[in-house]
This record gives sequence, C-alpha cells and structure tokens, in this order.
Amino acid sequence: DVKVTQSSRYLVKRTGEKVFLECVQDMDHENMFWYRQDPGLGLRLIYFSYDVKMKEKGDIPEGYSVSREKKERFSLILESASTNQTSMYLCASSSQRTGNGYTFGSGTRLTVV
Amino acid sequence: AQKITQTQPGMFVQEKEAVTLDCTYDTSDPSYGLFWYKQPSSGEMIFLIYQGSYDQQNATEGRYSLNFQKARKSANLVISASQLGDSAMYFCACFSGGYQKVTFGTGTKLQVIP
Repeated sequence: DVKVTQSSRYLVKRTGEKVFLECVQDMDHENMFWYRQDPGLGLRLIYFSYDVKMKEKGDIPEGYSVSREKKERFSLILESASTNQTSMYLCASSSQRTGNGYTFGSGTRLTVV
Repeated sequence: AQKITQTQPGMFVQEKEAVTLDCTYDTSDPSYGLFWYKQPSSGEMIFLIYQGSYDQQNATEGRYSLNFQKARKSANLVISASQLGDSAMYFCACFSGGYQKVTFGTGTKLQVIP
C-alpha cells in the first residue's frame, strides 16, 4: 500500500560527497516536491516539479539540484554535501486533478560528517 | 508568497480533553487551501484535514475539526477527546496558486498526558 517511496531511511555521507536521494511514487501524480525539515523551522521547500523534465526552485534551492526523467521518479542531488545539509528530507507528490493535498514519503534522515 | 504562523511550539493536554492548535496564514491569492498534518515520532506525515477557501462550512474528520475564520485568516485545529496516540508534531499548511506548492508552519508539539 506504499505510495511514495524514498530509497533510504537513514544515510551517512562525508563532506564533499555527491549525494542522491531518490523518490518514487506509484499514483501517477504530476507534481513532486522535496522538502527539508529542521527543528524549529518546519518544512522548507527545496525544489518541485510539475512535469517530466520540468523543475522549479523552492525557497531554499542553494546547494541542491533535482532530476525528473520519468514521471514517477524525482531525485534530489547534493552536488557537494556539507554539514549544514544534515537534515530530514521529505518527498511528496500530489495530483493536479484532485488538488487536495500531498502524499508524503517516510523521509530520509541524512547526516553529513 | 504565503506564510503560515504557528505560535505554540509545544502544548500539553489531559487525555479525553479537547485541545486547540493555533494557525494563522497570510496569502494574497483569493483561492487557497489549508491543511493540517500530523507527524508522530516515527516521522511519517499523516494528512488530517483540508479546508478550501470557498468552503462555507468548517471541515470535520472524525475527532478533528478545522475552525476556519476567513476574515481573521486563522485555521485552528480542534482535537476532541484527546488520546495518547495523538501525541505528535502537528503542522498547519497552505497552498495557493499553480502547481499546488504548499507552505508549512513551524509546527506544534502536542503531548497528551494520561
């Protein structure tokens, strides 16, 4: 019954590494989103995509990029991981047809050492 | 741009009592939607309730109701008959405009006391 799957629950990476966070949804949703969650700051939008190969910057895109080559898959890329990117990363998807909310993945807790 | 304000970082409530979690929003779009999500310690985000800006009546879902006061730009969540399993972080969120981009508040941590 899982609808939005994030490839890793926990991840530990070294400073300077290139990191890929993968998200796959099986609901045929057009929209996909990447957020990071930090205590006291809530969820902040990094990037989103409303169609294959389309991407839009969110509120905090610096240090990140994304890729959406297929409708069901949305990847978040940390080009050169830094310690201030240690966070919980949440992927979500939504339908442009129904427009009544997100379905979230279970999150990836990334630690950069 | 839209903004969500949750002024209660943490709250306690006695089991079986009702509790209200505050949320105010700011958006310039005439058409928007408001959500509440629950995040238990396990980390998953659980959708609780939705209110559209043109909905005339307050949304209800079981023990959850959304007290929507449009003129005040507030969308408070009311949980009736609190249960121990209600202990979690609660996020208020708003979307407006295209692509359903959602802005979240900073959250309220609710703890239910036996």
